[in-house]
Amino acid sequence: QKEVEQNSGPLSVPEGAIASLNCTYSDRGSQSFFWYRQYSGKSPELIMSIYSNGDKEDGRFTAQLNKASQYVSLLIRDSQPSDSATYLCAPRSGSARQLTFGSGTQLTVLP
Amino acid sequence: NAGVTQTPKFQVLKTGQSMTLQCAQDMNHNSMYWYRQDPGMGLRLIYYSASEGTTDKGEVPNGYNVSRLNKREFSLRLESAAPSQTSVYFCASSDLMAVGGEAFFGQGTRLTVV
Repeated sequence: QKEVEQNSGPLSVPEGAIASLNCTYSDRGSQSFFWYRQYSGKSPELIMSIYSNGDKEDGRFTAQLNKASQYVSLLIRDSQPSDSATYLCAPRSGSARQLTFGSGTQLTVLP
Repeated sequence: NAGVTQTPKFQVLKTGQSMTLQCAQDMNHNSMYWYRQDPGMGLRLIYYSASEGTTDKGEVPNGYNVSRLNKREFSLRLESAAPSQTSVYFCASSDLMAVGGEAFFGQGTRLTVV
């Protein structure tokens, strides 16, 4: 079983729709959870972090965390073509000395 | 504010050649990492340095060596390049003592071994 699993996609949504990206993880000690966005040919950039169960909203982005289910998700409301990218999930336990990434979900927002 | 800087951005090597990828960060982070990214494989950790003076193997260390030169710099060396090492390499840094400890990435090095 992989430590971090994401739907590989590709996921296609029409412009203006809600895109839902999911991630499950195996390390129950995970305390910090990060979502990175990676445009084609570019490096990953941090877009959201969440540390507590529940929802965290930042503009059009909402991260949702359920530690009991070992599940974290990212919702993108009013999706735009500029949101087309690969989204990487990265949980981290307090004792971990490095980040483990999921393989990413490729999102395409269709105009 | 440069963040994490990698050199070079592009490199073509012949099989058997050696090279060193350089990485420097100016965020005073204690931890630094080298990842490789292949199509469909996500980011795979090669080596990391949790603090100055320490280095540890990651998921795919074979064929690589690293040096944590000082707190700012972390280099990755390919002693005898192989076509299987064709990939995009990312250096990253983080402050594991901070809340979260998220990583910040350099712009990447696209390496082709022919």
